[in-house]
Amino acid sequence: EVQLVESGGGLVQPGRSMKLSCAASGFTFSNYGMAWVRQAPKKGLEWVAYISYDGGSTYYRDPVKGRFTISRDNAKSTLYLQMDSLRSEDTATYYCTTVRTTTFDYWGQGVMVTVSS
Amino acid sequence: DIVMTQGALPNPVPSGESVSITCRSSKSLLYSDGKTYLNWYLQRPGQSPQLLIYWMSTRASGVSDRFSGSGSGTDFTLKISGVEAEDVGVYYCQQGLELLTFGSGTKLEIK
Repeated sequence: EVQLVESGGGLVQPGRSMKLSCAASGFTFSNYGMAWVRQAPKKGLEWVAYISYDGGSTYYRDPVKGRFTISRDNAKSTLYLQMDSLRSEDTATYYCTTVRTTTFDYWGQGVMVTVSS
Repeated sequence: DIVMTQGALPNPVPSGESVSITCRSSKSLLYSDGKTYLNWYLQRPGQSPQLLIYWMSTRASGVSDRFSGSGSGTDFTLKISGVEAEDVGVYYCQQGLELLTFGSGTKLEIK
């Protein structure tokens, strides 16, 4: 059974940093592209960042370019999202997902990030 | 960015009725490989989204055959045949042709 378990969220002040992790199991992690998708409170879904199966390619949504960094450790089956210079508009639940030909196949339970002073 | 526009439903919908959820893209999602890169997801209350349909009309593993997807290059429909209580939630379409964008969601409530 595919499992994606996010961690590392919480309350952070504007301008500070936070790093999210996603522990994957139940599938061959190194074979899959991965992504982070977020959902602001009471809002819709927004793709944030993508990384290829081997980490060789990364893509970001414009509002987070230069502030967020997606990475992975295939030996540990873990996905990361380093978030710097956080803003109030980054407040959201962040979901870790597998990606197969631009389809978000499997989703984690999500982790809440609140950016507030 | 490609803009995805979803229609609304006349909620609440009587249990057992069939409904169609519409989605329109600002650009054709038909790619040169013959696939149409349009996906559908359901987010039940308090849960993570789950994949229902990919490549416009292919059901994901374990998804009920009450769900079906159809469309052209820019206009798409998710049909639910005989809605049930477990179908309640918000349905999102998503394009996978350029970057990855979602529609704003369509809420389904059942009477």
